[in-house]
Amino acid sequence: GQQLNQSPQSMFIQEGEDVSMNCTSSSIFNTWLWYKQDPGEGPVLLIALYKAGELTSNGRLTAQFGITRKDSFLNISASIPSDVGIYFCAGRGIQGAQKLVFGQGTRLTINP
Amino acid sequence: DVKVTQSSRYLVKRTGEKVFLECVQDMDHENMFWYRQDPGLGLRLIYFSYDVKMKEKGDIPEGYSVSREKKERFSLILESASTNQTSMYLCASSLSRGQGRFTGELFFGEGSRLTVL
Repeated sequence: GQQLNQSPQSMFIQEGEDVSMNCTSSSIFNTWLWYKQDPGEGPVLLIALYKAGELTSNGRLTAQFGITRKDSFLNISASIPSDVGIYFCAGRGIQGAQKLVFGQGTRLTINP
Repeated sequence: DVKVTQSSRYLVKRTGEKVFLECVQDMDHENMFWYRQDPGLGLRLIYFSYDVKMKEKGDIPEGYSVSREKKERFSLILESASTNQTSMYLCASSLSRGQGRFTGELFFGEGSRLTVL
């Protein structure tokens, strides 16, 4: 099936630092989504992107839908302790419109 | 708020046992999904259903089956549990294209952590 490559797999940062992670695919997606999973919980949607080139913000989070439709980026500015968790990118392809493909996840750890 | 409820947060089973994982959603979503989460592998789709009594295989259906007798309930069945099925199992639901307000967003339950000894 389709696969997404998400990087980095883990990040250890200081509180207040900015964070960047990205996701790439060998095939085209028509929707990109970014989810966050808090410890002991299921993933929750952070940002959804529906058009190539789209740049969307949600508070300190900013995500972009790459113009090639094969990649997406998530940035977190001025990290705080509650940003800790696992971040997943997900894509919805043209053929699999009803289901999502997920990346491997980026585990974010913050040192206060 | 959408609520997806998974019946068991933690289960411990023995090899060869039959295991049922239950999931209920309360938002009248047509689509329901079962994912498996493993470190370094992300979320992998096991099965999904877009209507009552309908099911489609995902990327890793081997060793699993599903049942959707009612719209709000989607069950994952391990006919004969094996140690390599030790994992976190996540159920999710979503609107379908025909239900309006379709965004592609999945709503997840809290997960069921299964250990097979």
